[in-house]
Amino acid sequence: AQKVTQAQTEISVVEKEDVTLDCVYETRDTTYYLFWYKQPPSGELVFLIRRNSFDEQNEISGRYSWNFQKSTSSFNFTITASQVVDSAVYFCALSGMSGYSTLTFGKGTMLLVSP
Amino acid sequence: IAGITQAPTSQILAAGRRMTLRCTQDMRHNAMYWYRQDLGLGLRLIHYSNTAGTTGKGEVPDGYSVSRANTDDFPLTLASAVPSQTSVYFCASSEGPPGAPGYTFGSGTRLTVV
Repeated sequence: AQKVTQAQTEISVVEKEDVTLDCVYETRDTTYYLFWYKQPPSGELVFLIRRNSFDEQNEISGRYSWNFQKSTSSFNFTITASQVVDSAVYFCALSGMSGYSTLTFGKGTMLLVSP
Repeated sequence: IAGITQAPTSQILAAGRRMTLRCTQDMRHNAMYWYRQDLGLGLRLIHYSNTAGTTGKGEVPDGYSVSRANTDDFPLTLASAVPSQTSVYFCASSEGPPGAPGYTFGSGTRLTVV
């Protein structure tokens, strides 16, 4: 069975602060994918990143960065210099690589960025 | 524009009524999925279909049924709605495993059962 834990249910920061969203996962698969999705107040799910279990290199995309540590089964997401537009619910998710594996989502972290 | 269309976008439904949520994709993806999203619970898989003609149960299938008569359509039916089925429902599709390019979500259907 797969499980994704996002222990932070809600985080509040002031604009320009850095913020890290935690994600811890459990899986028996030796190969798997990890994802982050953003859900702004409008409700749609926006894909942010996919990382495969072979690649533990950290990734940076603008103000976003991701730290994947297989040893601790974590895939944390950091927003640098947060902005009000970053306010959203963020979901971490996990899937296997074989066949048509389904996505297992964490419960989400609501990020509130105030001016 | 290629993607997934869900209908209706929102609905208020009396308990005990039957309701079908529609999902259509134009990307010729083999796999399709239905998730429900509830506050504090994230998204949970209801049913899935790997190819036309096949379906499978997800984490929370009770009270829901699906069919996959063709590649493009994957309707979700609530035979007799109950208030606990109040939720936002997302349809998704993928060409292969979720890690492969093209895992796409619809914009959701907000269902309220009263």
